[in-house]
Amino acid sequence: GESVGLHLPTLSVQEGDNSIINCAYSNSASDYFIWYKQESGKGPQFIIDIRSNMDKRQGQRVTVLLNKTVKHLSLQIAATQPGDSAVYFCAENFVAAGNKLTFGGGTRVLVKP
Amino acid sequence: GAGVSQTPSNKVTEKGKYVELRCDPISGHTALYWYRQSLGQGPEFLIYFQGTGAADDSGLPNDRFFAVRPEGSVSTLKIQRTERGDSAVYLCASSFGHTGSPGANVLTFGAGSRLTVL
Repeated sequence: GESVGLHLPTLSVQEGDNSIINCAYSNSASDYFIWYKQESGKGPQFIIDIRSNMDKRQGQRVTVLLNKTVKHLSLQIAATQPGDSAVYFCAENFVAAGNKLTFGGGTRVLVKP
Repeated sequence: GAGVSQTPSNKVTEKGKYVELRCDPISGHTALYWYRQSLGQGPEFLIYFQGTGAADDSGLPNDRFFAVRPEGSVSTLKIQRTERGDSAVYLCASSFGHTGSPGANVLTFGAGSRLTVL
């Protein structure tokens, strides 16, 4: 399949360690912030989202933190596994604009065994 | 079907030719989105349908690009007089739509149609 991570920042992580992926967003009026995972040759896959009135949300092995003061979003993956190797994109959603997502630049995560 | 289906998965064409890319969204999803993704980039919004109508086509780069969704389900993205710069992966996504409804912000993407213009 086609690689989408050829020119992206790369985070190399040892299997079992925690990963932190960061993202700066642009629109302070965005209602939701979403993290997507994209494997080579596949479309983006929803991981977790967070509403703008929250600062933390936890899922299965993932936590998203939102800092609206500095317009910063992060995704923490606990106990990173080989299957977590992919490109991760943050996206913001301004509901009044019709739920169309604006994606940020991605980060490639490589998990070393 | 269980997911968003896109055909063809790969399309190679010559400069100046006409291309159609098809998207079959998740059954029951009223909103449908087209995005374009170039190598090493995040997806860029093209157009969004709510039902049969294009609610927002502000992302279409020029009038060579057009999309339809005549029955509120399957959508076709049409590109006329293709140029080499049109080469990219074209992604389709769908959601429950209805701004503000639970889950409306969760877009489910297809695997994409990779277009190569020679």
